[in-house]
Amino acid sequence: AQRVTQPEKLLSVFKGAPVELKCNYSYSGSPELFWYVQYSRQRLQLLLRHISRESIKGFTADLNKGETSFHLKKPFAQEEDSAMYYCALRSKAAGNKLTFGGGTRVLVKP
Amino acid sequence: DGGITQSPKYLFRKEGQNVTLSCEQNLNHDAMYWYRQDPGQGLRLIYYSQIVNDFQKGDIAEGYSVSREKKESFPLTVTSAQKNPTAFYLCASSPASGAYNEQFFGPGTRLTVL
Repeated sequence: AQRVTQPEKLLSVFKGAPVELKCNYSYSGSPELFWYVQYSRQRLQLLLRHISRESIKGFTADLNKGETSFHLKKPFAQEEDSAMYYCALRSKAAGNKLTFGGGTRVLVKP
Repeated sequence: DGGITQSPKYLFRKEGQNVTLSCEQNLNHDAMYWYRQDPGQGLRLIYYSQIVNDFQKGDIAEGYSVSREKKESFPLTVTSAQKNPTAFYLCASSPASGAYNEQFFGPGTRLTVL
């Protein structure tokens, strides 16, 4: 069975400091991984996906198959980054459904 | 941001009652999903549908039922058999296939059982 683990429920950092959100997964096939973000009073939305190897809002995430991880990083956090972040794994074999981690709340202090 | 609507935004139910949550999308997406969001547990999949008139159970389907009679609509019924129904419910939709078939989420319905 597939599983996504986000070990930190809360990350509190100061503005300008680096932030790293950890995500580990277990999956027997070739994984497709995503980071979703939910800002206060807004909908859950896609932040980035590993297949695109893109940087969005200064965030990057690298898929490490050896360590089965997909950590999200930003070198200089901003106050507007305060939000709830979810790591998710997609299974093509099961109707493209997503399995989410428990989420990490990021609080960026001024 | 638009394209998926959920109603109502807040819903209150007495124990023993069934209640139906609405989800509509005008994105012409084939696939639709229902998730339950609880603090500290992330989102858990209740049911999903890849095509009209077909749906599959997710990880926590017990006490819930769905229908998919129209492409744009995927209502969720929370039955009295659901032991702990108070939660935030999210609906999503996506194209059925393709490398970039991102799921788009609705604004959610908060259900409270009194």
